[in-house]
Amino acid sequence: SQQGEEDPQALSIQEGENATMNCSYKTSINNLQWYRQNSGRGLVHLILIRSNEREKHSGRLRVTLDTSKKSSSLLITASRAADTASYFCATDARLTGGGNKLTFGTGTQLKVEL
Amino acid sequence: DAGVIQSPRHEVTEMGQEVTLRCKPISGHNSLFWYRQTMMRGLELLIYFNNNVPIDDSGMPEDRFSAKMPNASFSTLKIQPSEPRDSAVYFCASSLRVSYGYTFGSGTRLTVV
Repeated sequence: SQQGEEDPQALSIQEGENATMNCSYKTSINNLQWYRQNSGRGLVHLILIRSNEREKHSGRLRVTLDTSKKSSSLLITASRAADTASYFCATDARLTGGGNKLTFGTGTQLKVEL
Repeated sequence: DAGVIQSPRHEVTEMGQEVTLRCKPISGHNSLFWYRQTMMRGLELLIYFNNNVPIDDSGMPEDRFSAKMPNASFSTLKIQPSEPRDSAVYFCASSLRVSYGYTFGSGTRLTVV
């Protein structure tokens, strides 16, 4: 089963607007990562936030993490048509038997219209 | 760096045939991951290697699936015999360390008819 559940499943906005996607997870994590996937392509790493961080910025991206609520949000400001893609959160957690595992959420399909 | 390189990009095969997917990770990355993506199940981790050693293969669906990493620059995922339900996009990803961001390849779209 998926560790992360994203909300909403689909989001359609106008160019220039902000897009906010949310992710909830179930277990303790080392870090949480966000990825973008364009149609028919591989995933591209956007940003990583560690469990002891609450907010992180990268260009037009802002990520927050609330470990008490086991949730994260990704904000894309001043969206562009090129931001149209699926966005996935992924949680990095320690395995019981050792090692780590990155588990992906179900994704949010973002469509930015001109 | 050319990134993570996967081959082939597309594979169409008949049920029962052996399929081998290949991956070349980024040089210097010591963690390699195989994922499968389908509409129904999303992205599933099949197996991952650290320093060429398989660490977690709990996601491998069944004995028909096997993966190897004979050296730091090459990995294979083999399905034998293949079945229509194996149809999916298979991604390989590598990372400098497990807790760092991953770099994904472009994927292999497998269709088993």
